[in-house]
Amino acid sequence: NAGVMQNPRHLVRRRGQEARLRCSPMKGHSHVYWYRQLPEEGLKFMVYLQKENIIDESGMPKERFSAEFPKEGPSILRIQQVVRGDSAAYFCASSPFWTSGNTDTQYFGPGTRLTVL
Amino acid sequence: KNEVEQSPQNLTAQEGEFITINCSYSVGISALHWLQQHPGGGIVSLFMLSSGKKKHGRLIATINIQEKHSSLHITASHPRDSAVYICAVNTDKLIFGTGTRLQVFP
Repeated sequence: NAGVMQNPRHLVRRRGQEARLRCSPMKGHSHVYWYRQLPEEGLKFMVYLQKENIIDESGMPKERFSAEFPKEGPSILRIQQVVRGDSAAYFCASSPFWTSGNTDTQYFGPGTRLTVL
Repeated sequence: KNEVEQSPQNLTAQEGEFITINCSYSVGISALHWLQQHPGGGIVSLFMLSSGKKKHGRLIATINIQEKHSSLHITASHPRDSAVYICAVNTDKLIFGTGTRLQVFP
């Protein structure tokens, strides 16, 4: 059973370009979480998705950031018109199901390191 | 003040030493996670616990819900244990501590 997969592992973009980060959850997992780790800072929650639904996007910046988890295919985190401050490691995690309080173990992907020049 | 505080921020040890990393939190939680992040950046979930104590190999995690405190212990530490150890608590989402950077020297 392959773990959580993220690609690309490293992504370089110039200011103003778009960045698309992909996350394939573990087989059988229908819940996906995105986290951001800024340089020298801790991980911060961004968004929680189920298939075709955004459940909690309270950690997403209001502009330029969007996420989806379609019925088929990986979850995508999209950053439009990137700026230098978007440079960070973006981690995806998945879990098999969600109960009240989100108590399930989350399995993390290897992360995508975004560098904005 | 952060909702999840870890101490120490940095820790160095000689191989074989007993290691303790502490985590205190100020919010109501349903569970607490200990994660390990290696220099390459990947994150591994070590423990999820909501009460008592769990053990896996040389790693032991304890939690005291009343005192809102958890500890991660590493017995007989080894250089391969060198990593950042992150405490995270479940509210309606995961809230992370800033991590403890552990270096174990041979």
